[in-house]
Amino acid sequence: NAGVTQTPKFQVLKTGQSMTLQCAQDMNHEYMSWYRQDPGMGLRLIHYSVGAGITDQGEVPNGYNVSRSTTEDFPLRLLSAAPSQTSVYFCASSRPGGTGELFFGEGSRLTVL
Amino acid sequence: RKEVEQDPGPFNVPEGATVAFNCTYSNSASQSFFWYRQDCRKEPKLLMSVYSSGNEDGRFTAQLNRASQYISLLIRDSKLSDSATYLCVVLYGQNFVFGPGTRLSVLP
Repeated sequence: NAGVTQTPKFQVLKTGQSMTLQCAQDMNHEYMSWYRQDPGMGLRLIHYSVGAGITDQGEVPNGYNVSRSTTEDFPLRLLSAAPSQTSVYFCASSRPGGTGELFFGEGSRLTVL
Repeated sequence: RKEVEQDPGPFNVPEGATVAFNCTYSNSASQSFFWYRQDCRKEPKLLMSVYSSGNEDGRFTAQLNRASQYISLLIRDSKLSDSATYLCVVLYGQNFVFGPGTRLSVLP
């Protein structure tokens, strides 16, 4: 049972580098989202998607891009990494109708030097 | 003001204790409410949904007061394995808004 798969689990970047965090789910969920988690801040929504071809901004979208070309995949791109983007990133998906169960990936720990 | 606020914690309690977590939310249009559990360095997982009538799942009881915009979670007879961070989550529109979490440590 794969569920939500995130890669990579760990990444170290230098300021100014770009990278993509991959997220894939095999549950045919329409809703997918990216969060970042920082100490004392809880999870904050970066971007979300309610279906293929549809994306929208969350609370903290600056510095990040997303696309949703298929139902399964929702990659998060860091365009020019900054130390403020050092965080733990979680991808999550949910069934239509917002039943409340968000299925999370295991997280990606990103450090920007 | 944050949309979802929780007790700052941490809570350190002995095994067998009863512990209560509080949560308030600011948006009265919020539709659904949940408690998630997050173990150290792991992803959050759904603990239980919260209904207006209150609901119970074993040692866990959740309550919702829409008028006061207040949610609670009660854990009875706490176990060592209950040690985790408890996240209050509110569904508003299409998106889930997370509180900062309250960390619980159950001590032997």
